[in-house]
Amino acid sequence: GAVVSQHPSRVICKSGTSVKIECRSLDFQATTMFWYRQFPKQSLMLMATSNEGSKATYEQGVEKDKFLINHASLTLSTLTVTSAHPEDSSFYICSAAGTGGYGYTFGSGTRLTVV
Amino acid sequence: LAKTTQPISMDSYEGQEVNITCSHNNIATNDYITWYQQFPSQGPRFIIQGYKTKVTNEVASLFIPADRKSSTLSLPRVSLSDTAVYYCLVPRGSGGYQKVTFGIGTKLQVIP
Repeated sequence: GAVVSQHPSRVICKSGTSVKIECRSLDFQATTMFWYRQFPKQSLMLMATSNEGSKATYEQGVEKDKFLINHASLTLSTLTVTSAHPEDSSFYICSAAGTGGYGYTFGSGTRLTVV
Repeated sequence: LAKTTQPISMDSYEGQEVNITCSHNNIATNDYITWYQQFPSQGPRFIIQGYKTKVTNEVASLFIPADRKSSTLSLPRVSLSDTAVYYCLVPRGSGGYQKVTFGIGTKLQVIP
């Protein structure tokens, strides 16, 4: 079946630094990728949608200059949290959709802690 | 994008069958219904997808009435490892992949 690999699974960074999270589709071409954020005991909140080779579309209230999304190839999308602050600490999850699989396949998530 | 409504939580004893119903009144003709399972600190995992009537796989069944305004996920003989949050989603089924918005989901607690 379709597999999406997300790395790192856990990262701790200092306030003010940037962190990059990678999302790779291993056995299919991901024409569209989605990035979510999930706070404890809450549902997934969609941050942005990106199509390969195009600029990402951000949801209302999500700062595009803070959460940089790159989807340069059909198998890789990255989310960079720039100048991270403690309030950016959260669980980030990517999802890929494209050829193969049942539409939407999710990564295993990245736990970001900003200290 | 069809809005979905599910119970916030459910409890069940081990070995029982669990049915979780989701309402999606404004489902469109081309929409499919998909259910995902999420464990703490993990990404959602696909369980089952259907369009109408009944779909069954090795882990669950999905019942969809003729009007498709609701669907019921059925988990046979649940175990403690089925304790998780279950999400009902109705992403658009045509015209490319549209964004998927998650509702609150149903937190299933399986009791020994």
